[in-house]
Amino acid sequence: GAGVSQSPSNKVTEKGKDVELRCDPISGHTALYWYRQSLGQGLEFLIYFQGNSAPDKSGLPSDRFSAERTGGSVSTLTIQRTQQEDSAVYLCASSLRSGGTYNEQFFGPGTRLTVL
Amino acid sequence: ILNVEQSPQSLHVQEGDSTNFTCSFPSSNFYALHWYRWETAKSPEALFVMTLNGDEKKKGRISATLNTKEGYSYLYIKGSQPEDSATYLCASPNYGGSQGNLIFGKGTKLSVKP
Repeated sequence: GAGVSQSPSNKVTEKGKDVELRCDPISGHTALYWYRQSLGQGLEFLIYFQGNSAPDKSGLPSDRFSAERTGGSVSTLTIQRTQQEDSAVYLCASSLRSGGTYNEQFFGPGTRLTVL
Repeated sequence: ILNVEQSPQSLHVQEGDSTNFTCSFPSSNFYALHWYRWETAKSPEALFVMTLNGDEKKKGRISATLNTKEGYSYLYIKGSQPEDSATYLCASPNYGGSQGNLIFGKGTKLSVKP
């Protein structure tokens, strides 16, 4: 079946502009996660959604970052007033549920964001 | 938030060499350990999920072991091939599995020269 898809694959923007990154999870997966990898860093957790519960936003680096998940499926990560330090690969993942031992997360190909 | 560390940061081997690298994590409140392989321009791909002390898992030429008492896991690649070139990530669920997100190490970047 179809995996996790993300769009766009690449995004170049100017400092101060807003950007929206989209994630389509695997159908039936109730949990959805956003991570990012900045240059020289490991994968950093940003936010996750589990079903209809309130999202865990504990990883968002600033209030310029927000995310929503509509209808328990597609998610959009929005970065307002982008800064150069926001440049990174943004990865989305989904899993059948969050927590639990076999919380295998399936990743999308990522969006490479470059802020000039 | 737990700390997951990987070493070495990068590794260059010749085709046919066997290699291994390490993932370290806190031994207290261990829940699970995940290994992923991430090739450039592709999605990270799950390799193994390990839960029990002494676990050993194998997929083709790649295998992994787990020691939860001392807090480490080894990933082994036997007879490396150029197609094994990738970044290998390990991760552990946050807060002993009660939280959904994974905490990742920075990865080991493996380059296999033909």
